[in-house]
Amino acid sequence: GAVVSQHPSWVICKSGTSVKIECRSLDFQATTMFWYRQFPKQSLMLMATSNEGSKATYEQGVEKDKFLINHASLTLSTLTVTSAHPEDSSFYICRGGRSPALNTEAFFGQGTRLTVV
Amino acid sequence: GQQLNQSPQSMFIQEGEDVSMNCTSSSIFNTWLWYKQDPGEGPVLLIALYKAGELTSNGRLTAQFGITRKDSFLNISASIPSDVGIYFCAGQVKKLTFGTGTRLTIIP
Repeated sequence: GAVVSQHPSWVICKSGTSVKIECRSLDFQATTMFWYRQFPKQSLMLMATSNEGSKATYEQGVEKDKFLINHASLTLSTLTVTSAHPEDSSFYICRGGRSPALNTEAFFGQGTRLTVV
Repeated sequence: GQQLNQSPQSMFIQEGEDVSMNCTSSSIFNTWLWYKQDPGEGPVLLIALYKAGELTSNGRLTAQFGITRKDSFLNISASIPSDVGIYFCAGQVKKLTFGTGTRLTIIP
């Protein structure tokens, strides 16, 4: 089946630094990439949706200047948490889809546990 | 926005027991999905439902798309240790909205 590889699986960073998370679609072209955040014992909250070659669409309340999303190719999307603070500590998960209309056939990455100290 | 109420929030069962969980919403959805998430991992799709009233099985798992299009059910028969995890429903109109999750624990 289709695979989305997400790295790193966990990262610890100092407050004020930036962290980049990568998601690669290994055996399909991910036209659309969804980025989610999940706090402990909570559900997945959509942060933004990006289509290859276009600017990402952010959900209400998500700061686009803080969470920079790049989707420059059909197999790679990145999320950069800029000037991270402890409240940004969370589990970040990407989900890559073949097309915007077929997001039921999109596949999750393994997730990244970010801890800001 | 759309909200999905998933119940129960947690379940403690013995191996071999059947499991039932459901999601309800005040909104209508066109698609219902059920996912399982293991600790520290991304969710894995279990079953996808596309039509109201649809009943679909995947091994010991059975899910149904409610006829009102506002709810969905997931049943697991004869639970085994590897069923432990968090189960999420997700409903879609344009975007995918996730339920609050059901944490399944198997008591030895």
